[in-house]
Amino acid sequence: DAKTTQPPSMDCAEGRAANLPCNHSTISGNEYVYWYRQIHSQGPQYIIHGLKNNETNEMASLIITEDRKSSTLILPHATLRDTAVYYCIATGFQKLVFGTGTRLLVSP
Amino acid sequence: SAVISQKPSRDICQRGTSLTIQCQVDSQVTMMFWYRQQPGQSLTLIATANQGSEATYESGFVIDKFPISRPNLTFSTLTVSNMSPEDSSIYLCSVIGGIAKNIQYFGAGTRLSVL
Repeated sequence: DAKTTQPPSMDCAEGRAANLPCNHSTISGNEYVYWYRQIHSQGPQYIIHGLKNNETNEMASLIITEDRKSSTLILPHATLRDTAVYYCIATGFQKLVFGTGTRLLVSP
Repeated sequence: SAVISQKPSRDICQRGTSLTIQCQVDSQVTMMFWYRQQPGQSLTLIATANQGSEATYESGFVIDKFPISRPNLTFSTLTVSNMSPEDSSIYLCSVIGGIAKNIQYFGAGTRLSVL
């Protein structure tokens, strides 16, 4: 699995977009970018994943740069319930290697 | 997504004892995994539970300490043996399979405290 680098923490105002960056400069061609989040020691929750195209679902959007060396997870209208640790994982296999993630704090 | 049930949800155990954690899925899945999350830390993969054969352990984890069973496509157990306070962690089961073949889903975890 390629190593990923994320900022340790970020703040966001409720109702605003939260943009969480991730660097994965050593990602290989067959590795996907996955995003999970963990709310207060619950089990990690799948958010979204992609290979090279941008992806959107009901939770978030994933923007992957053309060279695939970085990506951004976008929560379009953050709510207080989005406060969590967000993990970016680059993997071509089923095993997930979790880094330290970004602790997102959404404030009123 | 698959519905994953873990039992127990939490337990407090005495050192030297063993605890078996169960993971039940509501549908057949191709792969099952066990993770550990120590206090304040990220998740670490313990092993891949293989149906009908020995689990595949990650570096630093051994079968004598964390025996795993997977008798069928919907059930697995993880035993934490001869526990010490350092084993106090959240243990999580995860699965891949069903309709979403490329997505791994997690159970709520078992919070273990060892005194």
